[in-house]
Amino acid sequence: AQSVTQLGSHVSVSEGALVLLRCNYSSSVPPYLFWYVQYPNQGLQLLLKYTSAATLVKGINGFEAEFKKSETSFHLTKPSAHMSDAAEYFCAVSEPYGQNFVFGPGTRLSVLP
Amino acid sequence: GAVVSQHPSRVICKSGTSVKIECRSLDFQATTMFWYRQFPKQSLMLMATSNEGSKATYEQGVEKDKFLINHASLTLSTLTVTSAHPEDSSFYICSASIPDQPQHFGDGTRLSIL
Repeated sequence: AQSVTQLGSHVSVSEGALVLLRCNYSSSVPPYLFWYVQYPNQGLQLLLKYTSAATLVKGINGFEAEFKKSETSFHLTKPSAHMSDAAEYFCAVSEPYGQNFVFGPGTRLSVLP
Repeated sequence: GAVVSQHPSRVICKSGTSVKIECRSLDFQATTMFWYRQFPKQSLMLMATSNEGSKATYEQGVEKDKFLINHASLTLSTLTVTSAHPEDSSFYICSASIPDQPQHFGDGTRLSIL
């Protein structure tokens, strides 16, 4: 069985500051890992994904995440926050080929002017 | 990129009404579609997984007679909330996928039962 934890249900950063959203996973098989963003009253948009290739994954909107097997982590970062980054962010894990997809509880990112 | 269209985006109806929500993959043939429910400020909870031409697989605790899922083609799945009651009010999101690809999500349907 797989599971995902996201440390911090709410993270606030100043505009221009580093964004760090934490994700740890548990999986009995080599995982596929994803970060999605959700704006209010909208569906989810894929930011980036890890599917067993390069451990440092670059996504859209300047986000990137690094897969660290030893730490079972897949933290999301962005060097400089923008006001438009304010949203809910979900980390997700699946088995290879997208089986048994599980979402984390989400982290709400607020960006302060 | 892959596009999933979900319709309607918002529904407000009286208690006892049945509501149908459509999920379409516009530019790819989805072998599998998923239906999620999201309560305010919470994560997405998988309700059911449907494969084209076969019965949906429901997650534990989800009433299959309450939430009817039809996946008649590779591009369309529907979720019907039968005899909806206020406790069924929620945000419902569908997604579609093909093997070894991430799920692509619709924009969700806000269901409000009065």
